[in-house]
Amino acid sequence: GENVEQHPSTLSVQEGDSAVIKCTYSDSASNYFPWYKQELGKRPQLIIDIRSNVGEKKDQRIAVTLNKTAKHFSLHITETQPEDSAVYFCAASKVTGGGNKLTFGTGTQLKVEL
Amino acid sequence: KAGVTQTPRYLIKTRGQQVTLSCSPISGHRSVSWYQQTPGQGLQFLFEYFSETQRNKGNFPGRFSGRQFSNSRSEMNVSTLELGDSALYLCASSLDGQPYGYTFGSGTRLTVV
Repeated sequence: GENVEQHPSTLSVQEGDSAVIKCTYSDSASNYFPWYKQELGKRPQLIIDIRSNVGEKKDQRIAVTLNKTAKHFSLHITETQPEDSAVYFCAASKVTGGGNKLTFGTGTQLKVEL
Repeated sequence: KAGVTQTPRYLIKTRGQQVTLSCSPISGHRSVSWYQQTPGQGLQFLFEYFSETQRNKGNFPGRFSGRQFSNSRSEMNVSTLELGDSALYLCASSLDGQPYGYTFGSGTRLTVV
């Protein structure tokens, strides 16, 4: 089955710096790659996603890049702010017409310091 | 519109007991998926239901089961609880079973003592 590895497990940056979180996946048939943000005690919330027919996607300060050949994708957060502090999860899915599931990475604790 | 509602929010059970958790998806959504979140294992897929049918199941023992009702509400049941079942159980709903834009509930925090 699919396996997703995520690095680093913790990341500390200064406010205003950029943060990059990387994930690799094992199943070359995976075609959907979302990123979730989970603040302490709250539900995971989708912040950005990318499908396999696209190499990069941006939404304001957040961007995701996908390299299908190398089977890895990355989350880039620019101009980090204290409210960006949270745990970020990457996930991968082989979306079919039948049952679908997300395979998650183990999470990155991002801390943005003032 | 209302989001995904999970009840109860917190639960404490004793080893050997059984427990039932509930998830009400967003109105109009026909698919509910369940995930177990633990500090050591992260988010692990349990099962997915669509129109009352289980379409996909993760690698969990048979003690974990679920069902979906005609109104799309879903329940999951864990029998013969073990200490290792302590976790946050999250459900996610989607319109048509596709994982695009999953919306998660706030989860049920289960503690087994």
